[in-house]
Formats: sequence, C-alpha cells, structure tokens
Amino acid sequence: SQTIHQWPATLVQPVGSPLSLECTVEGTSNPNLYWYRQAAGRGLQLLFYSVGIGQISSEVPQNLSASRPQDRQFILSSKKLLLSDSGFYLCAWSRGRRQPQHFGDGTRLSIL
Amino acid sequence: EDQVTQSPEALRLQEGESSSLNCSYTVSGLRGLFWYRQDPGKGPEFLFTLYSAGEEKEKERLKATLTKKESFLHITAPKPEDSATYLCAVQAEDNNNDMRFGAGTRLTVKP
Repeated sequence: SQTIHQWPATLVQPVGSPLSLECTVEGTSNPNLYWYRQAAGRGLQLLFYSVGIGQISSEVPQNLSASRPQDRQFILSSKKLLLSDSGFYLCAWSRGRRQPQHFGDGTRLSIL
Repeated sequence: EDQVTQSPEALRLQEGESSSLNCSYTVSGLRGLFWYRQDPGKGPEFLFTLYSAGEEKEKERLKATLTKKESFLHITAPKPEDSATYLCAVQAEDNNNDMRFGAGTRLTVKP
C-alpha cells in the first residue's frame, strides 16, 4: 500500500530564516505531487504541483519554492520566511488526472 | 472561475440524528468531485469520488450523491466518532492538476 510522510509535524521559525519541508511517498512510482497551504476556516490553497522529477508548476507567486530531486520526494523551501508564511502545510500525491489526492499529516509552521 | 461553496459552515447533531452536508460548485466541465474527512491537526482523508450526475457512493454511515450543480454528503445515524471537518473538492476538465476545495463543514456529533 502507498504511504506519504511529511516532516516535521510542527516548526517554529523566526522571521527571515530559511525553510525546508520534506515529503516522501512510498509504494508507488511517478506520482503527481502537490503542496498545499491551509488557513484556519478556509479551503486548501494549491501552492505547487509536480508531474515528474524536476518539473514544478507554481500556482501562487510568493516567497516559497518547491523542488523534486527524486521521483517520490517533494521539498518546499524558502530563503527568507515572512510572518504571512505561517500556516498548515500539506503534501499530497495522486496517480494522475481524475484520481483522488492523498494527503500527509501536515506541518504546522509558526513564524515569530 | 471555478468555485466551491460548502454549507453549513458548522453542524451540531445528536447521536443518531441524520442530516446532510451540501457542496455547491461552479466549474466549466466537471472532471470529478471529491469528498474528504479531516480531523484536527491531520491531513484530509479521502472518502469518495463522484464523476457524473446521478452517481452515488456509500461507506458505512456516509452516502455521497451528485447532481449537475451540487453534491450532498448524507450522514445516517451519526456517532460521535463521525465528528470532523468534511471537505469537498472539484476538478475541472480544463485544468490538468488543480483541485479546488471548499472551506469545509465542521460536524460535531454529541452523545
């Protein structure tokens, strides 16, 4: 069966510090991978998605970037965090179009 | 622009009191509608996919239905463990990868 891992579960960072969140998927190959941010009381906002190694599409211009160095690894990064980057970050994978996305347990990011 | 609206925002039920959650959508050609359950501090858990109007899916006390404009998640004789936020998402035919989510319905079932 397929599993998705995200870490860390919680993170507290000062403004201006760098960020690296990692997501890995097991039990499948060539998945579509996604990064979302969820604000309290609001729907999930798609940040980035990838259909293959080195292929990244950005949905929202912002302070963040994503990379996919390996088939089942997806990384969310920032060089300098802003207060507005606080939130709940979720990674997801799917087999492709018309297929459901399956989510990790998320990272709660707090910026001080 | 694709839109997804869920109602009510919050719903409180007594154990055993059946009810329905609504998901209204506006998309230029529906590829699929997805229901998820999310517990506090966790990622959404996939429940159902519906692809065409008239389709229905069931799982335990949950039943999802789909029309051309909306979907309902019917909860029959709910139990306290059904308490969670239920999210609806749609994927449009003209969008390769974007899944547009509603804000969710927060369900509380009291014993």
